[in-house]
Amino acid sequence: GAGVSQSPSNKVTEKGKDVELRCDPISGHTALYWYRQRLGQGLEFLIYFQGNSAPDKSGLPSDRFSAERTGESVSTLTIQRTQQEDSAVYLCASSLDHRDGYTFGSGTRLTVV
Amino acid sequence: ELKVEQNPLFLSMQEGKNYTIYCNYSTTSDRLYWYRQDPGKSLESLFVLLSNGAVKQEGRLMASLDTKARLSTLHITAAVHDLSATYFCAVGSLTSNYQLIWGAGTKLIIKP
Repeated sequence: GAGVSQSPSNKVTEKGKDVELRCDPISGHTALYWYRQRLGQGLEFLIYFQGNSAPDKSGLPSDRFSAERTGESVSTLTIQRTQQEDSAVYLCASSLDHRDGYTFGSGTRLTVV
Repeated sequence: ELKVEQNPLFLSMQEGKNYTIYCNYSTTSDRLYWYRQDPGKSLESLFVLLSNGAVKQEGRLMASLDTKARLSTLHITAAVHDLSATYFCAVGSLTSNYQLIWGAGTKLIIKP
């Protein structure tokens, strides 16, 4: 597609439920990133995928968070047993070459009640 | 460890004025990026700076990079209301060819 597509755009879930967020990167972009942005804050790195290499999961805040990507296509970020502190906007970005910078999706606003 | 500091974090200014946002970083890097974020929206890439002395301009915004001083500036000329947004700088880590370390953002409000 023309841009990075994320779904859903908004998600309200009850504490303790699992949620799955989806990111569809720009076609041909080999690199894909997930970030978390809490209200009024900067970006917090979560995970990075590059082609078929092992992902860098160093930013995942707990084992409740996991992400997958099949090849160079769609990625899903899963949060299990959601907590209120998980409420944030989850941003996905992709890039062709890391030096070019990233193209961000519009984000998923997650609210845990 | 690479750290990125932006200042000011908040700036309110009048239309027509000039101002500069600063982005300092703590260790050597070879790339720096400026992004814009409108309220409730995602981040839009503004500038990519890849070499010492790089200067890029787009409309009323101009960004520069001094790798020796570990400093980038985003200069706003004759501000207009439409430039109100939060501006982030992000610096590339030399220990990782893909990791960006982000500043906290500068919230810019331009009053008509």
